[in-house]
Amino acid sequence: SYELTQPPSVSVSPGQTASITCSGDKVGDTYTCWYQQRSGQSPLLVIYQDTKRPSGIPERFSASKSGNTATLTISGTQAMDEADYYCQAWDTNTAVFGGGTRLTVL
Amino acid sequence: QVQLVQSGAEMKIPGSSVKVSCKASGGNFNNYAISWVRQAPGQGLEWMGSIFPIFHTANYAQSFQGRLTITADESTSTAYMDLSSLRSEDTAVYFCARDGGADWGLDHWGQGTLVSVSS
Repeated sequence: SYELTQPPSVSVSPGQTASITCSGDKVGDTYTCWYQQRSGQSPLLVIYQDTKRPSGIPERFSASKSGNTATLTISGTQAMDEADYYCQAWDTNTAVFGGGTRLTVL
Repeated sequence: QVQLVQSGAEMKIPGSSVKVSCKASGGNFNNYAISWVRQAPGQGLEWMGSIFPIFHTANYAQSFQGRLTITADESTSTAYMDLSSLRSEDTAVYFCARDGGADWGLDHWGQGTLVSVSS
């Protein structure tokens, strides 16, 4: 079955840049989305179509893709960005989530 | 303002079934699919399946085939997730989400419904 691999955790200092990767055999074949989930809350879409930000998502959130790896980048990371981040892609008609990355803002 | 409001927490015994509802407002219910995603305690997100209400066709993750039924009532803009033969491992928060497919992602989410399965 299709799998998306993310690092379990990433740490960043406030104001610095955090990068979270998502790799999988078919990442390059379909759009990737990214979701933020703060503790005790529902997930929030922060990136769709690989690189686009929904309305209301701060510009410090950006994303890119190269080959079979997608990357979420948070520039000027703030304390409020501390959360779990999940990548997601589609395999035929099935949605697949990465295992999630816990972003800690130290 | 699109909103998805889910039904309340449930406590179930092993072997029983649970039905969770998800009522949509503020958008055109028929223009999008609704996906169901669950999250076990301390774990990641797991996609379960989806339905496109106007077509009444559901699509299920392989791991839930035979136990999961997703339906939708266009007259009330409500989607339902029915999971049978519950076991303790099904204890999780269940989310519904408006599903724009590969182009738009899961762009609005319900508040989540905790389903606890215990004898």
